[in-house]
Amino acid sequence: DAKTTQPPSMDCAEGRAANLPCNHSTISGNEYVYWYRQIHSQGPQYIIHGLKNNETNEMASLIITEDRKSSTLILPHATLRDTAVYYCIVRVEDTDKLIFGTGTRLQVFP
Amino acid sequence: AAGVIQSPRHLIKEKRETATLKCYPIPRHDTVYWYQQGPGQDPQFLISFYEKMQSDKGSIPDRFSAQQFSDYHSELNMSSLELGDSALYFCASSSDRSSSYEQYFGPGTRLTVT
Repeated sequence: DAKTTQPPSMDCAEGRAANLPCNHSTISGNEYVYWYRQIHSQGPQYIIHGLKNNETNEMASLIITEDRKSSTLILPHATLRDTAVYYCIVRVEDTDKLIFGTGTRLQVFP
Repeated sequence: AAGVIQSPRHLIKEKRETATLKCYPIPRHDTVYWYQQGPGQDPQFLISFYEKMQSDKGSIPDRFSAQQFSDYHSELNMSSLELGDSALYFCASSSDRSSSYEQYFGPGTRLTVT
């Protein structure tokens, strides 16, 4: 399984962009990068996913490097409600289970 | 929009008892997943079902079993409960017809074993 590495914690001021990095240097060609977040003890919430190209939706943007060995999740205007643990997950090809790593605990402060 | 429903939301059991957790997926979702999250830990995949057949298996103890029924709801049966089984149990569902495989998680069942 492709392993991901994320910083354990990050802070971000409310209204600023939050940039969450993820390393996945062993990712294979057809493996997707997914981002989920978990707000204190709630069920994880899907944010965005991508393969090679950058992606954007109403929640966030995902920037994947050309060699696909790392990616960055961008929350353009962080709010207090974005405080959560953010998980970067590489989905193993031909399976749909999610293997959660330790994630990044993002604290948004006023 | 309808979400994943889990019941009960809280459950307290004693050691060596049994427990049954239920999951009702989003309508028209055909795949169900179970995850376990111990205190201070990250979610761990247990098992999944697609069209009532087991599709993948993770670190699920032999004391646990699960199944998916014809209406696509799923049940996780846990026997000979141990203190270490105390955790949040999440169910998630997805649609095989979705190319993105995004999973929608329920609110979880908090199991406490005393």
